[in-house]
Amino acid sequence: QKEVEQDPGPLSVPEGAIVSLNCTYSNSAFQYFMWYRQYSRKGPELLMYTYSSGNKEDGRFTAQVDKSSKYISLFIRDSQPSDSATYLCAMRVMIKAAGNKLTFGGGTRVLVKP
Amino acid sequence: DAMVIQNPRYQVTQFGKPVTLSCSQTLNHNVMYWYQQKSSQAPKLLFHYYDKDFNNEADTPDNFQSRRPNTSFCFLDIRSPGLGDAAMYLCATSRADRGLFIPYEQYFGPGTRLTVT
Repeated sequence: QKEVEQDPGPLSVPEGAIVSLNCTYSNSAFQYFMWYRQYSRKGPELLMYTYSSGNKEDGRFTAQVDKSSKYISLFIRDSQPSDSATYLCAMRVMIKAAGNKLTFGGGTRVLVKP
Repeated sequence: DAMVIQNPRYQVTQFGKPVTLSCSQTLNHNVMYWYQQKSSQAPKLLFHYYDKDFNNEADTPDNFQSRRPNTSFCFLDIRSPGLGDAAMYLCATSRADRGLFIPYEQYFGPGTRLTVT
C-alpha cells in the first residue's frame, strides 16, 4: 500500500466550475501538507501549504486537512483553462535528520475546458 | 531571478553509457534534492545533500550517484543507464536549519527528461 494515495484522473471540468481534488494517507506522522501544481514538462510549484486540520484559503484555492480521517483536499473555484495541469499532494514528517523529505501522491491530471 | 536551473533539459543516452545531469541554484539553499519522476507517477526521492552531508534513500539503486562540489551545484550520475531509468529527473532545493522543525519550501527546477536508447 502506498503511503499517499491520489486518484490519477484525468478530471475534466468546464471553465468556471469548482475543481475538487483529494488525497488519503496512511502515515499518521505526517504533519505538513502541501499541494503542488505541475504543468507539462515543468517542475512542480508549490500552491498551498497547511499544517493543522481545518481550512486555508488563498485566492481561488482552498486547502482542507482532516487528520482524524487522514484526508486532504484542494478546491479550485472559478476554474480557468490555465488551471489545466497535474496537481500533486505532498506530505512531510519532521525528522531530526537533515532536510525536509516529501512524500508525494501520484498526481491528478486536471483539464479545464473553455 | 533566483532559481533552480537544470541542464540539459533533454538528454538521450545509450543503454549502459554513463550520463551526468546537472543542477545549479542561485537561492543559496543548503539542501539539494534529486527526484526521479516516471510518467504519471509521483516524484521519488533518490537522495539529498544537507550542506555536504549526503543522504541516500534506502531503495535508491547503486547505479545512481551524486556529487555536490559546492553550495550552488549538484550532479546526478547514472553509471550504467538501463531502459527502466528513462524518466524526468527533478532537482529541488530548500533551506533547512539543523534542529529546527521549520518546514521550508522546496523549489523545483524544470527537470531533465532522460531517454535511454
